[in-house]
Amino acid sequence: DAGITQSPRHKVTETGTPVTLRCHQTENHRYMYWYRQDPGHGLRLIHYSYGVKDTDKGEVSDGYSVSRSKTEDFLLTLESATSSQTSVYFCAIGSPGRGGELFFGEGSRLTVL
Amino acid sequence: AQKITQTQPGMFVQEKEAVTLDCTYDTSDPSYGLFWYKQPSSGEMIFLIYQGSYDQQNATEGRYSLNFQKARKSANLVISASQLGDSAMYFCAMREDSNYQLIWGAGTKLIIKP
Repeated sequence: DAGITQSPRHKVTETGTPVTLRCHQTENHRYMYWYRQDPGHGLRLIHYSYGVKDTDKGEVSDGYSVSRSKTEDFLLTLESATSSQTSVYFCAIGSPGRGGELFFGEGSRLTVL
Repeated sequence: AQKITQTQPGMFVQEKEAVTLDCTYDTSDPSYGLFWYKQPSSGEMIFLIYQGSYDQQNATEGRYSLNFQKARKSANLVISASQLGDSAMYFCAMREDSNYQLIWGAGTKLIIKP
């Protein structure tokens, strides 16, 4: 199994509070991704990173920021959480090239009240 | 526009039968890849199989095969001899080689009946 761990695995927070989710990998992989999963939508890309300090937006990046100061860690921050950000968040690693499947962390369930 | 369509929200299949999960896609990029993932009730995402648009043969991985019909833009997953452990959500996804993003379908919930 790919060494990807997410923390926290579960979090309940209130609207307006900041939240940071952490993804840690032991595979020394260059590419890392943050997705959210909501019923009826499959997975949607929030942000991705192609190296230390190199990040870019995905299709649902509004309200989220990311940082990658080390190869192994990719942080997702909700500056001011809203109820619409209640979701399951997945971190993934993998090359974007042909045949490059993604390997996922266990997911982090976030509830914003 | 919806790029990946999985038309079956849910399916019930008898154990040991074969099952086909539908996936159609839309792209104008001549070079792309199609992926299938399994998500059991425990929540993890498990990669099953990959098909490249230029691959001449349909991909196979154990009991999984991909029925790739390029002209129809379909990439159906076939599971042979289904098992109770195959009960899960199944997602089809596509990556165009001109784009890093993996686009996902909404998924099909498969339940295998004993």
